[in-house]
Amino acid sequence: AQSVAQPEDQVNVAEGNPLTVKCTYSVSGNPYLFWYVQYPNRGLQFLLKYITGDNLVKGSYGFEAEFNKSQTSFHLKKPSALVSDSALYFCAVRAQAGTALIFGKGTTLSVSS
Amino acid sequence: ETGVTQTPRHLVMGMTNKKSLKCEQHLGHNAMYWYKQSAKKPLELMFVYSLEERVENNSVPSRFSPECPNSSHLFLHLHTLQPEDSALYLCASSQEGAGTAFFGQGTRLTVV
Repeated sequence: AQSVAQPEDQVNVAEGNPLTVKCTYSVSGNPYLFWYVQYPNRGLQFLLKYITGDNLVKGSYGFEAEFNKSQTSFHLKKPSALVSDSALYFCAVRAQAGTALIFGKGTTLSVSS
Repeated sequence: ETGVTQTPRHLVMGMTNKKSLKCEQHLGHNAMYWYKQSAKKPLELMFVYSLEERVENNSVPSRFSPECPNSSHLFLHLHTLQPEDSALYLCASSQEGAGTAFFGQGTRLTVV
């Protein structure tokens, strides 16, 4: 069965510092990996995805993520955090084409000014 | 605006009521999903529809009844709910295959 783990409930970072939100996955075969962000009382917004190709994926709002097959990880990163990045971040995996996304429990990112 | 619209945004219902949640997508996708988001819990996949046929039902109680009349619309019919069913219900759509799922804003349901 496929699963996603986000080991940190909360990540705190100062504005201007780099941020990392961790994600590891377990799936049979090649994974399709996604990051979403959720602001209060809103739905999930797509940030970026890895399907195949370059292990470093660039997405919306300056975010990027690195796919590491040997470590089964897909950590979300941003070189310089903004206060407006404060939100709930979800990592998700799809085991194969045609199946639904399975989500991690989410990580709350708090960026202080 | 993601192209997926959910109505209503907020719903308060008694345990004996019957209500329906509506989801409409304008993206030309052929798969639609219902997820449940409760406080302090991961997003739970409830139902998957692909090409208007239900392909997945994750052991959801029968008091939740989905309906997909066409590829653009998805409903979740609710009856005799329990207070623990209070949550944010999210609809999403995607194109079959490795397509990205796009989410609606959600319906905040409170069962009293």
